[in-house]
Amino acid sequence: DQQVKQNSPSLSVQEGRISILNCDYTNSMFDYFLWYKKYPAEGPTFLISISSIKDKNEDGRFTVFLNKSAKHLSLHIVPSQPGDSAVYFCAASQPGRRALTFGSGTRLQVQP
Amino acid sequence: EADIYQTPRYLVIGTGKKITLECSQTMGHDKMYWYQQDPGMELHLIHYSYGVNSTEKGDLSSESTVSRIRTEHFPLTLESARPSHTSQYLCASSEYRTEGAAGANVLTFGAGSRLTVL
Repeated sequence: DQQVKQNSPSLSVQEGRISILNCDYTNSMFDYFLWYKKYPAEGPTFLISISSIKDKNEDGRFTVFLNKSAKHLSLHIVPSQPGDSAVYFCAASQPGRRALTFGSGTRLQVQP
Repeated sequence: EADIYQTPRYLVIGTGKKITLECSQTMGHDKMYWYQQDPGMELHLIHYSYGVNSTEKGDLSSESTVSRIRTEHFPLTLESARPSHTSQYLCASSEYRTEGAAGANVLTFGAGSRLTVL
């Protein structure tokens, strides 16, 4: 049973507009969430994270929002740039677990 | 500049061959991981190491084995490769990051090894 779900396999936006990537989770024990970005033929790279004590974390053009009651988080990229085109993975952590639980990824394409 | 290195990046091999995927990190991290990923799918943990001489199976059953004789080195071996082993294998190490009472092992990944078994 997939505990971290990214229901949109792909997303296409115009350069300069906002990209919103969504992630839902089912395990209420998750208390720390991360976003990773993956270019083709490379490993995922850490982008931004948020702990459950917050509902928003911002880093430059990237903002992650957490809605614990809905078990939903989203990554906003403003403004989107062609170099942002990649696969974005949502991941979650719970106390006592060895490793992160990943979603299946959303492929973002930013059109020039 | 990568702090975690995987070789080979690409490998095409015949059924029945033995293969070893190499992974080395220069960050001094105790925890290291092997994940397996197929296109459009989530990353699945197949092996985990707490430190030297400490390894565990991950969430996804795998016929591969690992060893951790040195902190910086975490190779993965398949004794007899089969077409079902065709996948991308991602090695990672981690440092623990906390915020309030919450925390997580934030993974740094290598570039991956894409294995194709004919």
